[in-house]
Amino acid sequence: EDQVTQSPEALRLQEGESSSLNCSYTVSGLRGLFWYRQDPGKGPEFLFTLYSAGEEKEKERLKATLTKKESFLHITAPKPEDSATYLCAVPVSTSGTYKYIFGTGTRLKVLA
Amino acid sequence: DGGITQSPKYLFRKEGQNVTLSCEQNLNHDAMYWYRQDPGQGLRLIYYSQIVNDFQKGDIAEGYSVSREKKESFPLTVTSAQKNPTAFYLCASSRCWTEACFGQGTRLTVV
Repeated sequence: EDQVTQSPEALRLQEGESSSLNCSYTVSGLRGLFWYRQDPGKGPEFLFTLYSAGEEKEKERLKATLTKKESFLHITAPKPEDSATYLCAVPVSTSGTYKYIFGTGTRLKVLA
Repeated sequence: DGGITQSPKYLFRKEGQNVTLSCEQNLNHDAMYWYRQDPGQGLRLIYYSQIVNDFQKGDIAEGYSVSREKKESFPLTVTSAQKNPTAFYLCASSRCWTEACFGQGTRLTVV
C-alpha cells in the first residue's frame, strides 16, 4: 500500500538551533516527492520537488534531500518566521489516473 | 496572475443544508482535487478529476459531491449526508505528475 509518514509530529526549536524533519515513503515507482509549507488558516505553499535518490534542493535556510526510502528537510539556523507546518507528498498512479498522498505533517515552532 | 481561487473563505451551514464550495483555476491545469483538513491532521482526499466531465472518489467521498463541467472549475457540494462537515477544505490543481498548487481554503462550520 502506498504510504507517506512524517516525523516528528511536532518540533520546538530555539532560534538558531538546526534540525531535520523526516518524510518516509512506500510507493511503487517514485515519480517525485514534494515538500510544502503551510501557515495556519492558509493553503499549502510549494517548496521543493525531488525526483531521484541523491538529489538536493536548497532555499534560504531549507535544504531537502532524498534517498530511496525517505526525504529530509534540513532547517539551518531557523528563525521564528520559519514556524509552520511542513508537509510532504508523493504522486501515485491509480486506475489510469494519479493522485497525491500527503503525510500528516510536522508542526514546527521556532522560539525567539 | 495565475492561481487557484476558492470562495467563500468562511462558510456556515445549518443542520440538514447543502452548501457548495467554489474552486476556480486559471493555470490551465488538467487535474483538480478537493482535500479536507481537520485540526492537527493531514490532508484527506475527497474527490479528484483529471479531465472535464470525469471525476473519481477519494478516500472520504461519502457525503460529498462534485462536478467538472469546465476545465477551470471544480465545485464541491457538502450534502446533508455528511454528518461532520466542520473542517478546512482545500482545492488544488496540477499538471500531470508535477506539484499540486493550492487555493487558500474554505473554512466550513456547522451552526
